Amino acid sequence: RKEVEQDPGPFNVPEGATVAFNCTYSNSASQSFFWYRQDCRKEPKLLMSVYSSGNEDGRFTAQLNRASQYISLLIRDSKLSDSATYLCVVPSGGYQKVTFGIGTKLQVIP
Amino acid sequence: NAGVTQTPKFQVLKTGQSMTLQCAQDMNHNSMYWYRQDPGMGLRLIYYSASEGTTDKGEVPNGYNVSRLNKREFSLRLESAAPSQTSVYFCASSEKFGGASYEQYFGPGTRLTVT
Repeated sequence: RKEVEQDPGPFNVPEGATVAFNCTYSNSASQSFFWYRQDCRKEPKLLMSVYSSGNEDGRFTAQLNRASQYISLLIRDSKLSDSATYLCVVPSGGYQKVTFGIGTKLQVIP
Repeated sequence: NAGVTQTPKFQVLKTGQSMTLQCAQDMNHNSMYWYRQDPGMGLRLIYYSASEGTTDKGEVPNGYNVSRLNKREFSLRLESAAPSQTSVYFCASSEKFGGASYEQYFGPGTRLTVT
């Protein structure tokens, strides 16, 4: 199993829809995670961190399912501006480094 | 406050040529990183510097060298470029070293093509 796995998509959703992506990880000892957002031909930027209790920021909710070893990102009321690639980031190597997933591409269509 | 800056933004090299990618951060961060991003591969860590004066290999260090010039600057050198090094290179920094705890801030990237 890869350290971090994401469905590359693309996920094409209409404006206003709710969409969710999952990210599976292999290191059962990992305890905190990140979601980064990367716009086309731009650098990644932190979207939100995910701890055991999950995290919510406006329309975005991140959850951790430790038993099944995956994290999820839920986007409600999708906007055109949400179109981007969402990278899952998982600690590795004894928490000192991070492993980036390949990203899930989201395209919100009018 | 510029954050993380990288130069150049674009570069085309011939096989065997050398070049240095420059990175600087103005956030007084201790740790700095170099990644490459290839389609379908995600970001892969080349080298990192946990603190000024230290550097360590990441996942894909072969063909690269780094220098942590001072707290602000971290450069990446390709001694003899190969087509396999065609990629987008990102520099990043974080307040401290500890991937589970500290957000990484990325520069805008350098698009390198080796022919």
